[in-house]
Amino acid sequence: GDSVTQMEGPVTLSEEAFLTINCTYTATGYPSLFWYVQYPGEGLQLLLKATKADDKGSNKGFEATYRKETTSFHLEKGSVQVSDSAVYFCALRDDFNKFYFGSGTKLNVKP
Amino acid sequence: DTEVTQTPKHLVMGMTNKKSLKCEQHMGHRAMYWYKQKAKKPPELMFVYSYEKLSINESVPSRFSPECPNSSLLNLHLHALQPEDSALYLCASSQDPDRDGNTIYFGEGSWLTVV
Repeated sequence: GDSVTQMEGPVTLSEEAFLTINCTYTATGYPSLFWYVQYPGEGLQLLLKATKADDKGSNKGFEATYRKETTSFHLEKGSVQVSDSAVYFCALRDDFNKFYFGSGTKLNVKP
Repeated sequence: DTEVTQTPKHLVMGMTNKKSLKCEQHMGHRAMYWYKQKAKKPPELMFVYSYEKLSINESVPSRFSPECPNSSLLNLHLHALQPEDSALYLCASSQDPDRDGNTIYFGEGSWLTVV
């Protein structure tokens, strides 16, 4: 079945460092790909999405490119802030409207 | 506006109690979802309603009973739960379940503790 694999955390960075969180997927059809962010004690918020190969999703300085050839959707940000500390989930939507989430990657940003 | 509202925010119930979680959206979305999330784990899909009909049930135990009274409301009725059912229950909605790129939007969640 379809699945999402993302890098284990926690990831600890200093403020203004470059961030990459790896995400790869397995899918039989043509999935849409998403990144969600969850702050402590809250629900998940959509961060960005891409619906087809080579699309780039971007929001709040974060970006990810849908790479069909490597089945990847890595999340990047050029300069992280303390306020970016959260858990990040990569997800895919299959052709039957089922969403599959990765295990989540916790990001800690230190001042 | 992508607001999904869940009540209550916190619920403590005994194993013999009957309670309900409620979810509401006024975005005209035609699909609504219940997810369960344990600590430090990803959300797990429980149920999906598309156009007010139950379209996906992920083999959830019958002590959880979903209900979709109309296109804006989604309930989760709870009865005879076990302590291991304690978790964050997340409601979500999406505009068009049949469209590529259909995006789900989550509520803040209801924290359930079964004692």
